[in-house]
Amino acid sequence: SQKIEQNSEALNIQEGKTATLTCNYTNYSPAYLQWYRQDPGRGPVFLLLIRENEKEKRKERLKVTFDTTLKQSLFHITASQPADSATYLCALEYGNKLVFGAGTILRVKS
Amino acid sequence: DVKVTQSSRYLVKRTGEKVFLECVQDMDHENMFWYRQDPGLGLRLIYFSYDVKMKEKGDIPEGYSVSREKKERFSLILESASTNQTSMYLCASTAGENEQYFGPGTRLTVT
Repeated sequence: SQKIEQNSEALNIQEGKTATLTCNYTNYSPAYLQWYRQDPGRGPVFLLLIRENEKEKRKERLKVTFDTTLKQSLFHITASQPADSATYLCALEYGNKLVFGAGTILRVKS
Repeated sequence: DVKVTQSSRYLVKRTGEKVFLECVQDMDHENMFWYRQDPGLGLRLIYFSYDVKMKEKGDIPEGYSVSREKKERFSLILESASTNQTSMYLCASTAGENEQYFGPGTRLTVT
């Protein structure tokens, strides 16, 4: 079965710095990968999708990379702000469904 | 504006009760999903549906059933609630290989 690993420890960074979150996976080669943001007590909200033939995708201050050789995706938030504090989930296409990682908590301090 | 709604935000039930969680989407999506989310375990898929009256088991279907009588509505049923089903339940919908739209979640406590 598919296994996804995200940093279990929270990432604490200073406002204005770049936050980098990691998503590693095994046992499968997904056709695409997605990143979601989740605030406490709420459902996840979609941020970005990147396909296996795309190395990098950008949206405003967000950037996602996808390395199918390393089986890894990196999620970057540049010029981070306290409002970026949340849990970030990666999700891999697996057949006709998504498999989610447990998420990484990001805390941006002012 | 895209919307997925769930029938309750918070629910407290007793062990052995039959529990119904309802999810409605207004986007005419074919695909609907039920997940549960527990600390450290992430979202785990319980059941999903690709069409009316169609259902498929996810990774943890035991103790649950579902119903999809109309395209916009997908219900999750706990036949006999147990304490280990205390969790956050999230419903989502999507059209094909696209982003999933999630509801606000139902925090269920079984005592």
